[in-house]
Amino acid sequence: DTGVSQDPRHKITKRGQNVTFRCDPISEHNRLYWYRQTLGQGPEFLTYFQNEAQLEKSRLLSDRFSAERPKGSFSTLEIQRTEQGDSAMYLCASSSQEAGANVLTFGAGSRLTVL
Amino acid sequence: AQSVTQLGSHVSVSEGALVLLRCNYSSSVPPYLFWYVQYPNQGLQLLLKYTTGATLVKGINGFEAEFKKSETSFHLTKPSAHMSDAAEYFCAVRFSGGSNYKLTFGKGTLLTVNP
Repeated sequence: DTGVSQDPRHKITKRGQNVTFRCDPISEHNRLYWYRQTLGQGPEFLTYFQNEAQLEKSRLLSDRFSAERPKGSFSTLEIQRTEQGDSAMYLCASSSQEAGANVLTFGAGSRLTVL
Repeated sequence: AQSVTQLGSHVSVSEGALVLLRCNYSSSVPPYLFWYVQYPNQGLQLLLKYTTGATLVKGINGFEAEFKKSETSFHLTKPSAHMSDAAEYFCAVRFSGGSNYKLTFGKGTLLTVNP
């Protein structure tokens, strides 16, 4: 078990460009989450997948954002026409469907800087 | 609105001193409660969680937290700080009656340990 992997770890882009982040969850976890963390703030929920189905999207996720989880394994988060306000750490987490607290395991994050 | 408040964005203690990081939440129904720690350039790591049962929960690295329903609090403590405890700490809550997977995080408390 290698944990939750995210790629790339850092991305610097110019305003208006598209970026894509990838998340590989723990293999036996069927739940996958994306969170966004800006400087001085705690992580904020963006979206949630159970297997390949995207079950919830936060209002923070504008039309420029799209997330997918084909085949219920890895997930991608794409941001189109990036804006400076998109600069943040994008965190992926996964968990297994079990009774109780549904503990999330987080990846190290993908830091986006939009110039 | 349901919220999580961490009092003190920055706490500084001496090595060997008591660590107390405060967390309050707004809900009349006891939620599930978590503390996560984030070291620089790393993802969030679960320290401990409260779901039901004993209100004093023990976690990793000598940390513990006590759920106090009457105070809607879940403060994190450690009797003796170690240099390796320096990190950012996040309180997170899974509120009852809402999504059974979404966590709401506080803004975090940066812990500095002085030699």
